[in-house]
Amino acid sequence: GAGVSQSPSNKVTEKGKDVELRCDPISGHTALYWYRQSLGQGLEFLIYFQGNSAPDKSGLPSDRFSAERTGGSVSTLTIQRTQQEDSAVYLCASSYDGSGQGTEQYFGPGTRLTVT
Amino acid sequence: GDSVTQMEGPVTLSEEAFLTINCTYTATGYPSLFWYVQYPGEGLQLLLKATKADDKGSNKGFEATYRKETTSFHLEKGSVQVSDSAVYFCALGESGGYNKLIFGAGTRLAVHP
Repeated sequence: GAGVSQSPSNKVTEKGKDVELRCDPISGHTALYWYRQSLGQGLEFLIYFQGNSAPDKSGLPSDRFSAERTGGSVSTLTIQRTQQEDSAVYLCASSYDGSGQGTEQYFGPGTRLTVT
Repeated sequence: GDSVTQMEGPVTLSEEAFLTINCTYTATGYPSLFWYVQYPGEGLQLLLKATKADDKGSNKGFEATYRKETTSFHLEKGSVQVSDSAVYFCALGESGGYNKLIFGAGTRLAVHP
């Protein structure tokens, strides 16, 4: 079946602009995660959605970052007033059930964000 | 907080050499442990995992054993191939939480013919 998809694959934006990154998880997966992969910080957890529960936003680096998940499926990560340090690859992952010990997460190809 | 430390790369080996990539962790509770791999131009994919102490995860000739006494999950392969060239990430999934992954810095492996 189809894997996790993300769009756009590449995004170049000017400092100060807002950007939206989209993630389509695997159908039937109730858990969805956003991570960021950057040269300086490695792979970092950003936010987690599980079904209709309140999301775990503990990894969001600042209040410029927000995310939503509509209808328990598609998710959008929004970065307002982008800064150069936001340049990174943003990865989305989904899993069948986020609460099970050792549940595999399936990753999308990522969106490469460059802030100029 | 929980953390993962893995050996720095790059690791450069000849084909058929033995591979070890060290990974140690710090965690409260009983996390799950994973190795993910990122091949050139591709996304992250799960290589193997272990969910409790003394479990051995294995896949594609790679193995790793969950050692609680040494808080380690070292990745090994007896005979690497050129096609194993990739970046390898050790990660832990927090216990009792949402399975968010905490990753190590990644180790780049280059295998030459």
